[in-house]
Amino acid sequence: RKEVEQDPGPFNVPEGATVAFNCTYSNSASQSFFWYRQDCRKEPKLLMSVYSSGNEDGRFTAQLNRASQYISLLIRDSKLSDSATYLCVVNVDTGTASKLTFGTGTRLQVTL
Amino acid sequence: EPEVTQTPSHQVTQMGQEVILRCVPISNHLYFYWYRQILGQKVEFLVSFYNNEISEKSEIFDDQFSVERPDGSNFTLKIRSTKLEDSAMYFCASKSRAGNNEKLFFGSGTQLSVL
Repeated sequence: RKEVEQDPGPFNVPEGATVAFNCTYSNSASQSFFWYRQDCRKEPKLLMSVYSSGNEDGRFTAQLNRASQYISLLIRDSKLSDSATYLCVVNVDTGTASKLTFGTGTRLQVTL
Repeated sequence: EPEVTQTPSHQVTQMGQEVILRCVPISNHLYFYWYRQILGQKVEFLVSFYNNEISEKSEIFDDQFSVERPDGSNFTLKIRSTKLEDSAMYFCASKSRAGNNEKLFFGSGTQLSVL
């Protein structure tokens, strides 16, 4: 089983649509969770951290279910500029290392 | 926002040659990382570095790889004898403090092509 699993997509949605991405992780010792955004041939950029209580940042809402080892991202009112690959990322603290484990990403294409 | 700087942006080399990828982390950061991404694949952890030593390394980071912080500002990744499969985008990253929720800042990457 992959450490972090995502549907690769692509998800093609019209502007203004709501789209949801899901992710599962295998390591129950994972301690922190993130969504990153990656544009083509660019570095990953932190979109938001994901907390157990769920959290929202503008049009973006993230949810975490530790029991099911499941993370989600909801994007409301999609914009053309939201077109990117969304990376589900988990962190297992190994002391000073704190390395991130990335999913392969879900590609989103927002169209007119 | 402060930036992690990587040079060069593109590096082309012949198989078997040594390459050094350079990074300047954000100035007050203490934790440094290298990740790589083969085209079409996921971002993979290579190595973490703190207090002038490697904290953790992945299976990818074999004897052909080494890291160094030679002068307190640069953080380098050396590949001693490059292989075709080393072709990838290499990302340097840094953060200021320990802690799982500390933001990790990524550089814009060096695209390494091994011919």
